[in-house]
Amino acid sequence: SQQGEEDPQALSIQEGENATMNCSYKTSINNLQWYRQNSGRGLVHLILIRSNEREKHSGRLRVTLDTSKKSSSLLITASRAADTASYFCATERLNSGYALNFGKGTSLLVTP
Amino acid sequence: GAGVSQTPSNKVTEKGKYVELRCDPISGHTALYWYRQSLGQGPEFLIYFQGTGAADDSGLPNDRFFAVRPEGSVSTLKIQRTERGDSAVYLCASSLDEQGEAFFGQGTRLTVV
Repeated sequence: SQQGEEDPQALSIQEGENATMNCSYKTSINNLQWYRQNSGRGLVHLILIRSNEREKHSGRLRVTLDTSKKSSSLLITASRAADTASYFCATERLNSGYALNFGKGTSLLVTP
Repeated sequence: GAGVSQTPSNKVTEKGKYVELRCDPISGHTALYWYRQSLGQGPEFLIYFQGTGAADDSGLPNDRFFAVRPEGSVSTLKIQRTERGDSAVYLCASSLDEQGEAFFGQGTRLTVV
């Protein structure tokens, strides 16, 4: 079964607006990661936040983690049409190296 | 190589046939992972290799699915007696070791007709 659940399932915004996606998970984690996927193919790692961190930034990305609520959010500021993609949160499978449990993802559409 | 390479990029097969999907990981990466992604879903873990051995195959859905990595580099995912429900994108990822960031290939889109 998949660990994370993202919401919303789909999000449509205009260029320049901010996009916020949320993720909830079920069990204790060491870290949580966010990935991006274009056109249903290869996944690209965006950012990793450790369980002892509350917030992390990378360029236009801001990730928060609330371990008490077992939730995380991904904020993309000043969105661009090129940000159109699906975004997934992922947590590590127990005792399985770097194998991950992914959520169902949020499909983001940024219109010019 | 520069990245994880998966071949073929697309495969159409008839129900009941046998298929092999290949993954060339990044050179030197000891850990290799296979995932399956159905339409509208997130990737679902299938199997994890550390070197030549399958360290975790708990995600394989049934005994029609099998994967090998005989020399600790290239891996092949094998599906016997394919069913229409096997249609999905099969993704491969590799990492330098079991603690490193995983890099994904572009996937193989399998369609069983």
